[in-house]
Amino acid sequence: DQQVKQNSPSLSVQEGRISILNCDYTNSMFDYFLWYKKYPAEGPTFLISISSIKDKNEDGRFTVFLNKSAKHLSLHIVPSQPGDSAVYFCAAMINFGNEKLTFGTGTRL
Amino acid sequence: DGGITQSPKYLFRKEGQNVTLSCEQNLNHDAMYWYRQDPGQGLRLIYYSQIVNDFQKGDIAEGYSVSREKKESFPLTVTSAQKNPTAFYLCASYRSSLTEAFFGQGTRLTVV
Repeated sequence: DQQVKQNSPSLSVQEGRISILNCDYTNSMFDYFLWYKKYPAEGPTFLISISSIKDKNEDGRFTVFLNKSAKHLSLHIVPSQPGDSAVYFCAAMINFGNEKLTFGTGTRL
Repeated sequence: DGGITQSPKYLFRKEGQNVTLSCEQNLNHDAMYWYRQDPGQGLRLIYYSQIVNDFQKGDIAEGYSVSREKKESFPLTVTSAQKNPTAFYLCASYRSSLTEAFFGQGTRLTVV
């Protein structure tokens, strides 16, 4: 049972345009969400996170939006750059709970 | 420098042999995780530990074992019972209170 889903396995975007990566979750107990970027044969690196008490968090070119009622989050990258090409994973956890970090299947940008 | 270290980066083993992957962190993090990544798939949780001398099974724990005798170390043993052990293994550590998890560089295990 996949509790965190990234339904688009890949996404192509022109340089300078906006990249929007989507993530859906099923467990309403999740209250902390993270996005990671991964290059081949390397460990993921943290990009940005959001707590369920917020609906938006920005860090430079990266913005994460959270829609709790829809159990949906998205990562916006503006403007997109060639160095952004990687696999992006969203992850979710129940903070201060069992702290089990559950990842989606990833989207290759 | 603080960080999380996995060793070795590449590992080859014969079928039927047990093999142990090392994961060490000096970030003073309480929680540590082991994930497995297969081509075209996401990160699947094998085991995780929130505190020394305690660990929980993740989604795909069969054929694996772990120990957490020290806060800094969380070794993963891939046993002969794991039917398809060839994969890229990632270790991560995490500190409580709304922070991110840090990942090691990964170990690619190939069973021949």
